[in-house]
Amino acid sequence: QKEVEQNSGPLSVPEGAIASLNCTYSDRGSQSFFWYRQYSGKSPELIMFIYSNGDKEDGRFTAQLNKASQYVSLLIRDSQPSDSATYLCAVRNTGTASKLTFGTGTRLQVTL
Amino acid sequence: SAVISQKPSRDICQRGTSLTIQCQVDSQVTMMFWYRQQPGQSLTLIATANQGSEATYESGFVIDKFPISRPNLTFSTLTVSNMSPEDSSIYLCSVETGGWETQYFGPGTRLLVL
Repeated sequence: QKEVEQNSGPLSVPEGAIASLNCTYSDRGSQSFFWYRQYSGKSPELIMFIYSNGDKEDGRFTAQLNKASQYVSLLIRDSQPSDSATYLCAVRNTGTASKLTFGTGTRLQVTL
Repeated sequence: SAVISQKPSRDICQRGTSLTIQCQVDSQVTMMFWYRQQPGQSLTLIATANQGSEATYESGFVIDKFPISRPNLTFSTLTVSNMSPEDSSIYLCSVETGGWETQYFGPGTRLLVL
């Protein structure tokens, strides 16, 4: 069973702080990694993807990948109340052509 | 990305009946996927639907229960057959598009089976 693990939270951070969301995966050969944001009652929205070790930045979001440690994270700088949502980590496993395995998601609460 | 629509957006159905969910995308895509998201849970892939071939089902999902059609590159349907209350869930279609094989989701169909 290829697994993707996330802390379910809730992760509570004050407005303006950095939120750090973490994800570990079991398939060492995984090639690509995705972060989705899901507001309550809505469908998942793709916010970041990363393929190479290191950091990838897009506005207030930074994805970090460490394949040796099988670890991917999402940093949200200057967190806003509108960032309050569930963040889903998804991994494309080896040999499964386009199939994604999703973690259970981390619920983020940004407090005023 | 792609603009994806689903019909119906929600429905309440009686056990033993069937419901067909439609997924329409505004551009031609090769790969379409159907997921289920049960209350408070993450997404579980039901099947992959490629145009011109039979859908590929994941473990625990069978064609008799979840028949899928993919008549062209912009449209797919998922039928939930002989429904029971355990089928109450959100059903989501997604498409793979863009150079990085990224998946984008439709708005979902919220199904309640009584």
